[in-house]
Amino acid sequence: DGGITQSPKYLFRKEGQNVTLSCEQNLNHDAMYWYRQDPGQGLRLIYYSQIVNDFQKGDIAEGYSVSREKKESFPLTVTSAQKNPTAFYLCASSRRGGIGGSNQPQHFGDGTRLSIL
Amino acid sequence: SQQGEEDPQALSIQEGENATMNCSYKTSINNLQWYRQNSGRGLVHLILIRSNEREKHSGRLRVTLDTSKKSSSLLITASRAADTASYFCATDAGAQKLVFGQGTRLTINP
Repeated sequence: DGGITQSPKYLFRKEGQNVTLSCEQNLNHDAMYWYRQDPGQGLRLIYYSQIVNDFQKGDIAEGYSVSREKKESFPLTVTSAQKNPTAFYLCASSRRGGIGGSNQPQHFGDGTRLSIL
Repeated sequence: SQQGEEDPQALSIQEGENATMNCSYKTSINNLQWYRQNSGRGLVHLILIRSNEREKHSGRLRVTLDTSKKSSSLLITASRAADTASYFCATDAGAQKLVFGQGTRLTINP
């Protein structure tokens, strides 16, 4: 079955430590996204990538970094510069939209819950 | 930046009743999407309505879009316990990005 796999499901970070969240998709989608969700809130965009070897900052990119070396993979690193990393992190992918930027539906993984030790 | 705002923030109804959630947004859009999120899970796409459409149906779901009022509604008919979830609207923000609202938490009581 095609889909998006996020791992690990739960992650704990020590102070001063960088941690990397994995996101893999086998949907052959060009675009991939990382979102942060705080309790009772909507999703905020961290980074997104429309094509391999290219990515753009979202609304809350500070303290995070990404890479897009393969179409299938879009790992997110939460660096020690992110002082409040405790949140639920969601990865998504979609086909590229049409002319004018019309969006395609996004497919989501089941998230990684990150906490501070 | 939050463009879509859902109303109400929380809704509790009896099984079998209809549930209506509303979404308002600020700027013009190409399309608007609705997603469902079960507790502790990722979002699931429900329906996409384009700016030139006024109404769309999918099973027990009915979505309307009023671009003059910059608002959309999601109606779930004959609700079931399995419909208990949070529901989010999302509007396009250009450059293949979506902006999500804060969601409506729907509880269906047996």
